[in-house]
Amino acid sequence: GAVVSQHPSWVICKSGTSVKIECRSLDFQATTMFWYRQFPKQSLMLMATSNEGSKATYEQGVEKDKFLINHASLTLSTLTVTSAHPEDSSFYICSAPIPPSGTFYEQYFGPGTRLTVT
Amino acid sequence: AQSVAQPEDQVNVAEGNPLTVKCTYSVSGNPYLFWYVQYPNRGLQFLLKYITGDNLVKGSYGFEAEFNKSQTSFHLKKPSALVRDSALYFCAVRDEPPGNTGKLIFGQGTTLQVKP
Repeated sequence: GAVVSQHPSWVICKSGTSVKIECRSLDFQATTMFWYRQFPKQSLMLMATSNEGSKATYEQGVEKDKFLINHASLTLSTLTVTSAHPEDSSFYICSAPIPPSGTFYEQYFGPGTRLTVT
Repeated sequence: AQSVAQPEDQVNVAEGNPLTVKCTYSVSGNPYLFWYVQYPNRGLQFLLKYITGDNLVKGSYGFEAEFNKSQTSFHLKKPSALVRDSALYFCAVRDEPPGNTGKLIFGQGTTLQVKP
């Protein structure tokens, strides 16, 4: 079945550095991908919608200059956390709607990336 | 605006007993509702969805959910809980009709604890 992968699964970085997280759709093309952030034992908060070949759409309150999203191909979206700080430590999850059978798009989620900023 | 509420932070149930995880929703049009499960440090796994049709929806791992329009609820149920069902459960609603790649709006999540 359709699968979404993320890399890395976990990363530790120093404050002030940048970290890139990849989200790939396997065996299907995704013109749209979604990036979520999840704090421990809390819900998923949508950060942005990544659109292939165009600019991402950010949710209110999300700093687009800090969370850079690039959707360069139909199978890859990247999220770069720039100048990371400890408060950016979180679990980042991406998802992609698979091509519909009929009119309905199912969303498949990646396994998540645990970011720890020291 | 669309919203989803899960009134219980945690549900505790003994193995073998039936379980219910509650979800209520608020939408301006037709509801498109989902349940997902998340195990520790993992992404979300799809359990089931309601788009249209029968109010009782059957999903993965023996779970089912009942859509109740008058009560605007979509409670998740399982007749006999297993210890391995212990996880974090999310109810979600789409904010756009099926023809679009609409984003999902999630409830707060409910931790299910099944004790042997």
